[in-house]
Amino acid sequence: AQKVTQAQTEISVVEKEDVTLDCVYETRDTTYYLFWYKQPPSGELVFLIRRNSFDEQNEISGRYSWNFQKSTSSFNFTITASQVVDSAVYFCALSEGRNQGGKLIFGQGTELSVKP
Amino acid sequence: EAQVTQNPRYLITVTGKKLTVTCSQNMNHEYMSWYRQDPGLGLRQIYYSMNVEVTDKGDVPEGYKVSRKEKRNFPLILESPSPNQTSLYFCASSYSRSGTGGETQYFGPGTRLLVL
Repeated sequence: AQKVTQAQTEISVVEKEDVTLDCVYETRDTTYYLFWYKQPPSGELVFLIRRNSFDEQNEISGRYSWNFQKSTSSFNFTITASQVVDSAVYFCALSEGRNQGGKLIFGQGTELSVKP
Repeated sequence: EAQVTQNPRYLITVTGKKLTVTCSQNMNHEYMSWYRQDPGLGLRQIYYSMNVEVTDKGDVPEGYKVSRKEKRNFPLILESPSPNQTSLYFCASSYSRSGTGGETQYFGPGTRLLVL
């Protein structure tokens, strides 16, 4: 069965700290895709990154970086030198390659609070 | 600007009063989908559409209807809303000819619905 687990419900850090958001997924498909979305207090869902199961290369985008490890079925997200504007709920999501419904399976989200 | 729009953004209604939430995208995407977001449950797919006149149920379709008469529009219809449909609703779209998983879905701003 497909599942995404974000074990950290809430994280609170002080500005400039580094923070890692964990994501563990379950799937039987060999072809799958992983996503991270950000939901700021205004409520919209902002796409951050997409990775496919054949590309385990880590990615860095400014202060954001993602670590994809198939051996542990994890796709963790790190924010370096966090800022107050990073305060949001972050969702990890899974989409299976054979999924005819194109469904995204979301984790429950991690609420990040960055304090000044 | 490429975007997904939803209307209304906020809605308070009473049990049994039919309502429609509109969704429109200007990216010529073939795939569109509706999700609902509830505390502790993340986002769950309600219905999806792979193209005009092609719709199918997601994980939580009970109490909802959809239609896809035009490529850009995908309205969500609640024929007889009940309090358990109080939620935050998101429309999403992606470019997906096959409807299989993997394409990045772009989300609308969300519609907060309260059913009294």
